[in-house]
Order: sequence, then structure tokens, then C-alpha cells
Amino acid sequence: GQNIDQPTEMTATEGAIVQINCTYQTSGFNGLFWYQQHAGEAPTFLSYNVLDGLEEKGRFSSFLSRSKGYSYLLLKELQMKDSASYLCAVRDDDYKLSFGAGTTVTVRA
Amino acid sequence: IAGITQAPTSQILAAGRRMTLRCTQDMRHNAMYWYRQDLGLGLRLIHYSNTAGTTGKGEVPDGYSVSRANTDDFPLTLASAVPSQTSVYFCASSEGASGSYEQYFGPGTRLTVT
Repeated sequence: GQNIDQPTEMTATEGAIVQINCTYQTSGFNGLFWYQQHAGEAPTFLSYNVLDGLEEKGRFSSFLSRSKGYSYLLLKELQMKDSASYLCAVRDDDYKLSFGAGTTVTVRA
Repeated sequence: IAGITQAPTSQILAAGRRMTLRCTQDMRHNAMYWYRQDLGLGLRLIHYSNTAGTTGKGEVPDGYSVSRANTDDFPLTLASAVPSQTSVYFCASSEGASGSYEQYFGPGTRLTVT
């Protein structure tokens, strides 16, 4: 099975940087995904990591350390529209995704 | 291009009734998935299909069944609904089960079992 942990809530100010951590303990590993989900909407894909290191995509970056079972999502230059839940998901050796419970980020003006 | 659609958008269902949630994608994706999302528990995989004609069980398959007769459709059936199946159900698809292919999610079906 998979155990995926991420903080429940985070609050930050518009224009700031927020880092959302995700730790996982898995029976296999075949990649880690981050998704964004606005309230009442479907999740949408943000990033994918399978090798150690940092992947940068605009204001969002994602980091992976497989040896530590650790990832983070970095949101820079926060905007009000970034208020959402951020879901960490690990794919196992059977190519199935297991999701963390999600981190709700609130951006304040 | 519709992407991935689900029907109905929401439903109130009496316990013991049978219900099929529909999911259709027009992206010719090979893999499809059904999740349920409950407050505090995140998304949990119910069933999946890596290619048309095959299906597999996810983390919480009990009380649900699926079929994948063709590439586009992946219906989820609750044979006899129970209140614990009250949830938001998301269907998703991806081009492939492996590699960097991300999953695309439908808009969801909000199901209440009374």
C-alpha cells in the first residue's frame, strides 16, 4: 500500500512563495504527480517527477528525492487564483495513482 | 472538443437502488479510471482500465463494478447503493498508464445515497 502525507492547510500572502511538502512510503514507485483542484472543480495536472531533482514550469516548480521519499511543490509570486487544494499523487509499480488528502492553500491580499 | 464528460452531474439515490454513472472521453485515451473523493480522505481509486477490454480493482472496489467495452466509455455501476457511497465521483483518462502521461479528470458526479 501507499502512505502519502501532506499538510492540511497553508496560508500565504499574495506575491509570496509557498512550499507544499509531500512525504510518501510506497510499495513501489513509478513517478510522482502534483495536481491543483479549485473548490467544486476537477483536479488539473501541474507537474510530474520521476527522477531526482527540480522541474520548473513557470511560477510552479516541483522537486523529488526518491531516497528520502520526499517531494515539494513550490508556488512563486502567489496570486489570488492560486487559492486551491494541491494534491500529491504517487504512481506504484502497477501504474495506479494513490493520492494524498490534499493541501488547501489560501492566498490573502 | 469535449474531452471527458460525466453524467449525471448530481443525483440523489435511495439506498438499495441500482445506479450507473457514465463517463465518456473523446481523446482516444487508452487508460481510464474511477475515483471517489471524500472530505479529508482525498481521491481514492475504485476501478481502472489500462486498455479497452480490460479492467482492474483499485483501493476501494467493493460495491462497484465497471466495464470497458470500447475505448471511449467507462461506466461505473453501483449494484445496490448504500449511504457510505455518498461521495463525489471523478472519472479520469490518460493516454497511457505509464510514462509521463497525466490523467485528465471529468467534472465529477455528486452522489447522495439516502
